Amino acid sequence: SQKIEQNSEALNIQEGKTATLTCNYTNYSPAYLQWYRQDPGRGPVFLLLIRENEKEKRKERLKVTFDTTLKQSLFHITASQPADSATYLCALPMNRDDKIIFGKGTRLHILP
Amino acid sequence: GAVVSQHPSRVICKSGTSVKIECRSLDFQATTMFWYRQFPKKSLMLMATSNEGSKATYEQGVEKDKFLINHASLTLSTLTVTSAHPEDSSFYICSARDAGGGFHSPLHFGNGTRLTVT
Repeated sequence: SQKIEQNSEALNIQEGKTATLTCNYTNYSPAYLQWYRQDPGRGPVFLLLIRENEKEKRKERLKVTFDTTLKQSLFHITASQPADSATYLCALPMNRDDKIIFGKGTRLHILP
Repeated sequence: GAVVSQHPSRVICKSGTSVKIECRSLDFQATTMFWYRQFPKKSLMLMATSNEGSKATYEQGVEKDKFLINHASLTLSTLTVTSAHPEDSSFYICSARDAGGGFHSPLHFGNGTRLTVT
């Protein structure tokens, strides 16, 4: 079955720099991949979706890439701010159907 | 934006009692809702898929008689933890997908329920 690996449990980035988070999957290439933000004690909030035929997607300071050869997605936050500190979750469909599974997440700390 | 309301946000119950958690989509209809469980510093674990008007489908290892799911309308799904035990203590989160959005559309999450069983 599909497994998701977010290789950094925690990441500290200086304010103003670009934060880059990695998501790798182990099995088939999914039809799409999503990124969510989760704050402590709250439910995740959807940020971006990228489809298998897309290389890159941008939204304001966020950028997501999708490399089906490497089985990897990268999530970038440019000009990072302390308010960007949160856990970021990579998600993709299980077995190409509609059930979504999540990675363990990366806790991002933007240092002022 | 799409809002999912989950209640209660926190509940403490005694071992052996049952607890019901409600998940409502406030401004959209959801034929499918998903229930997740999350342990501290761990990933969201999918427990079951709640389908409006039909039986829920449970993931491997999740006891259907322990975690009763009812999806009686397009805007409401409930999860009942029956005969709760301390090991059921966890953070339970529901999510819903807009029925008109297609299977690529994002999940909208409630803010979770922190269950503590004493």
